[in-house]
Amino acid sequence: GENVEQHPSTLSVQEGDSAVIKCTYSDSASNYFPWYKQELGKGPQLIIDIRSNVGEKKDQRIAVTLNKTAKHFSLHITETQPEDSAVYFCAASKGSSNTGKLIFGQGTTLQVKP
Amino acid sequence: NAGVTQTPKFQVLKTGQSMTLQCAQDMNHNSMYWYRQDPGMGLRLIYYSASEGTTDKGEVPDGYNVSRLKKQNFLLGLESAAPSQTSVYFCASSPNRGTGGGEYNEQFFGPGTRLTVL
Repeated sequence: GENVEQHPSTLSVQEGDSAVIKCTYSDSASNYFPWYKQELGKGPQLIIDIRSNVGEKKDQRIAVTLNKTAKHFSLHITETQPEDSAVYFCAASKGSSNTGKLIFGQGTTLQVKP
Repeated sequence: NAGVTQTPKFQVLKTGQSMTLQCAQDMNHNSMYWYRQDPGMGLRLIYYSASEGTTDKGEVPDGYNVSRLKKQNFLLGLESAAPSQTSVYFCASSPNRGTGGGEYNEQFFGPGTRLTVL
């Protein structure tokens, strides 16, 4: 089955710096790659997603890139702010399943130091 | 809209006890999911329901059962709780409108249930 590996497990940056989180997936049939942010004591919330027919997508300070050949995708956060501190999860979905199932990475704890 | 709600928020069980975690969504979503979250292991799918009345196993279904009798509710049961089931449990739902759309649907998560089995 699909396997999603996420790195690093923890990331500490200074406010204003950029942060990059990387994920690799195993199943070449996967075609949807969302990123979720989980704040302390809350459930994960979608922040950005990308489909396999797109190489890059941006939304203000966050962007996601996808390399289908290498089977990896990355989350980029620029001009980080203390409120970006949270756990971030990548995920992959195989379109052929038609169930909406997601396979999640292990998570990255991002700390933005003021 | 309340979104996805879960009850209870916290629960402590003794080994061997049984309980049901409840999940409700008011967004008329077709699909619902149960995950467990353990440190360093991300979110692992326990069971899912692609549509009302159907359920399927996920990655870690052993020791759990589920029920989706109504579209808005998805129940997770522990028949005989074990310390290994100590975890935070999240329920999620997604529109999952069917062929060509299901795989791109956002999942909306509840606030979680923190379960401790002694």
